[in-house]
Amino acid sequence: DTAVSQTPKYLVTQMGNDKSIKCEQNLGHDTMYWYKQDSKKFLKIMFSYNNKELIINETVPNRFSPKSPDKAHLNLHINSLELGDSAVYFCASSHPSSSASLYNEQFFGPGTRLTVL
Amino acid sequence: AQKVTQAQTEISVVEKEDVTLDCVYETRDTTYYLFWYKQPPSGELVFLIRRNSFDEQNEISGRYSWNFQKSTSSFNFTITASQVVDSAVYFCALSGNSGGSNYKLTFGKGTLLTVNP
Repeated sequence: DTAVSQTPKYLVTQMGNDKSIKCEQNLGHDTMYWYKQDSKKFLKIMFSYNNKELIINETVPNRFSPKSPDKAHLNLHINSLELGDSAVYFCASSHPSSSASLYNEQFFGPGTRLTVL
Repeated sequence: AQKVTQAQTEISVVEKEDVTLDCVYETRDTTYYLFWYKQPPSGELVFLIRRNSFDEQNEISGRYSWNFQKSTSSFNFTITASQVVDSAVYFCALSGNSGGSNYKLTFGKGTLLTVNP
């Protein structure tokens, strides 16, 4: 009964390849996010989706393309992988569907450690 | 723009000592939420607490307590009688109510807490 799940947990690939990370939440939330945690542990928002609509794209390169087929899923596809893409990617979800609950806590997935060789 | 500063990069204590993790934030939003997350060595992000900008009451949960002071824009976290299991990276985060800031968490750089036996 995992709340936010991500697959795969580890991803090792060569530079120039295309890869995808999947995220699913079973919490009934309507907002999902992708964060990147770099080697210095710094966490930064990449994208947020609300009801399958893109809300935030935080100056992420076009090589990163999120896709939300439904409210429970937000997948991240990365084209032409570069060395600098190596990081841990966290998916999260929350339920800010009303002004009263706009600031609910975000629940994070376990993370996907991407290593680009 | 929002900003969260955790000035302490690393803290090392001996078990049973009390330790306070500092967090200072900047925001122009009139309504905002502050959060603390814990990231143990296993890597997952664990939600600890949420505090809204209108509620300056301190909160205690077991050995954890939080001191929110709007006048100094600080939201500090104290662990009483620390234990080895408290060893982790602790993140302070901020969510606002304008410009899409309600749809993302702005994180501090984290404080690595090491509790030695």
